[in-house]
Amino acid sequence: EVVLTQSPDTLSLSPGERATLSCRASQSITGRFLAWYQHKPGQAPRLLIYDTSTRATGIPDRFSGSGSGTDFSLTISRLEPEDFAVYYCQQYGSLWTFGQGTNLEVK
Amino acid sequence: EVQLLESGGGLVQPGGSLRLSCAASGFTFSSYGMGWVRQAAGKGLEWVSAISATAGSTHYADSVKGRFTISRDSSKSTLYLQMNSLRAEDTAIYYCVKVSYKYAYGYFFDYWGQGTRVTVSS
Repeated sequence: EVVLTQSPDTLSLSPGERATLSCRASQSITGRFLAWYQHKPGQAPRLLIYDTSTRATGIPDRFSGSGSGTDFSLTISRLEPEDFAVYYCQQYGSLWTFGQGTNLEVK
Repeated sequence: EVQLLESGGGLVQPGGSLRLSCAASGFTFSSYGMGWVRQAAGKGLEWVSAISATAGSTHYADSVKGRFTISRDSSKSTLYLQMNSLRAEDTAIYYCVKVSYKYAYGYFFDYWGQGTRVTVSS
């Protein structure tokens, strides 16, 4: 099983700042098959990024993904108030596993 | 607009059974893989099961293998999860997900439902 470890567990930032979230895999991820999801309380999770760096439909360009092998990241270039949420990375090259999540909170 | 509406959650005793349903709309249901993901209180997301568009292949997390069965009815655009021998650790919100392609394996989840809550307790 591919284990994903996200860091940090909690990230405290202010609107307008840049956020960088990390996701490390226990083994190299096949075909860069890594996605990022945003989850707000009481809502359905939303797909942000797939195939490591492709933005999903309707996702603003302040969200970007990068990485390869075992190290991946999600960057939000300039935080908007609606961006504060929990973010999960997911690999889908070997069944499906999620990271434990990063809680992006308002400082 | 893609919509996934889960139902069938509730309170069940340990060892009991429950069947979840997910009514899909806004896309050609028979052309896409589907799946289930759960989230226990205060925990992260855990993939549970997935099924291809034709139901020719199914996949299960080790934690539910042999107890849960995923199925689909394209005539009703509905996904199911039959859960047997339920345990306290199965308590969670269960989300229905649409896979981005007809095959489930190797593809991501592009739409999620709002979830249905399952509580396993005596």
